[in-house]
Amino acid sequence: EAGVAQSPRYKIIEKRQSVAFWCNPISGHATLYWYQQILGQGPKLLIQFQNNGVVDDSQLPKDRFSAERLKGVDSTLKIQPAKLEDSAVYLCASSSTTAHTGELFFGEGSRLTVL
Amino acid sequence: KQEVTQIPAALSVPEGENLVLNCSFTDSAIYNLQWFRQDPGKGLTSLLLIQSSQREQTSGRLNASLDKSSGRSTLYIAASQPGDSATYLCALPSTGSARQLTFGSGTQLTVLP
Repeated sequence: EAGVAQSPRYKIIEKRQSVAFWCNPISGHATLYWYQQILGQGPKLLIQFQNNGVVDDSQLPKDRFSAERLKGVDSTLKIQPAKLEDSAVYLCASSSTTAHTGELFFGEGSRLTVL
Repeated sequence: KQEVTQIPAALSVPEGENLVLNCSFTDSAIYNLQWFRQDPGKGLTSLLLIQSSQREQTSGRLNASLDKSSGRSTLYIAASQPGDSATYLCALPSTGSARQLTFGSGTQLTVLP
């Protein structure tokens, strides 16, 4: 079974530029998450999708971050304009259920460096 | 609001030693607890998932325990190997309607040959 796929793996941009990350979850997983992990910290949830609907985006900085999941499969996360503090690893995860008993599976992440 | 703490932040042990990693949480009304491994520059790999009704889960040399009443979980690694070197994170879902995980900051383990 293929895992969660993410691209690009690495991206370096200057502040005020824009960047987009792509995620393809495990086939059949209805729930998709984007997490931000700053160096030395645990991941922090940015947004949760159930199929193509947003379940929770309370921690997403909506003035610069946006995310969509068209057709309930792939998802993109965009940052525009980027700030220095956005330097982090952006992790995508998926789960077959929204039930609290479900297990999450993570991709390898997209590492962003903002100069 | 759930808070998750992992102490120590870093641990170095000689190969072959048995070791315990700790995870504590503030809200004992949890659904489950998940332990992850993260290698440098990589994503998170799920190691063990313990449901709230369980006391422990085992996978190979790994054993995770859960004590909800005291707000603690431990991850026991037997006969450690250099390949076990990684950061280990524990995470718990919030008790709200959205299933979001709250993560600890992790314990960075180094197993010396």
